[in-house]
Amino acid sequence: NAGVTQTPKFQVLKTGQSMTLQCAQDMNHEYMSWYRQDPGMGLRLIHYSVGAGITDQGEVPNGYNVSRSTTEDFPLRLLSAAPSQTSVYFCASTPRSNSPLHFGNGTRLTVT
Amino acid sequence: QQPVQSPQAVILREGEDAVINCSSSKALYSVHWYRQKHGEAPVFLMILLKGGEQKGHEKISASFNEKKQQSSLYLTASQLSYSGTYFCGTERGGSNYKLTFGKGTLLTVNP
Repeated sequence: NAGVTQTPKFQVLKTGQSMTLQCAQDMNHEYMSWYRQDPGMGLRLIHYSVGAGITDQGEVPNGYNVSRSTTEDFPLRLLSAAPSQTSVYFCASTPRSNSPLHFGNGTRLTVT
Repeated sequence: QQPVQSPQAVILREGEDAVINCSSSKALYSVHWYRQKHGEAPVFLMILLKGGEQKGHEKISASFNEKKQQSSLYLTASQLSYSGTYFCGTERGGSNYKLTFGKGTLLTVNP
């Protein structure tokens, strides 16, 4: 099992560009989520999904879109990148509530 | 709403003990604890559930006071490998899964 796989590992964007961060898991987990991590701020929830076709907003959803067409994939789309979106992004999955989160290795995004 | 962790940072010598606290203003269903090494992903340590059930790590213990919406992580006889940032995550329960993390506690263990 690969677990949770995130691509790319590093990305540099110019302001206004769009891109998609990929996240895939092979553990058949129902729940998936995206977090961003900034120095001194901890992990903040962007969007999450409780199953295919179901998504909802977290604490900091503005500027990001998600979709969940399959159980395995949960891509995060930046519509028009801004310097404030410079961060490390983590995707995570879990089989159910009250179970450990499995994190991907993260994507380090820089917006210039 | 993010849970509040304290202290923000702590420095220990190998073999010393530490306590990290996590509190919320909302009623909680469960509390998660994770440790993150620099440049790596967070790694699961423990879950504490409403009702007292505890799942997790053999060498690290924790408590969950449901009435006060507080949890504490106890690190005893610390080892160099305990160094890292510790995060608590809180879940309020219900039909939608949402785990909210605190800002973290940086633990440094020196020889």
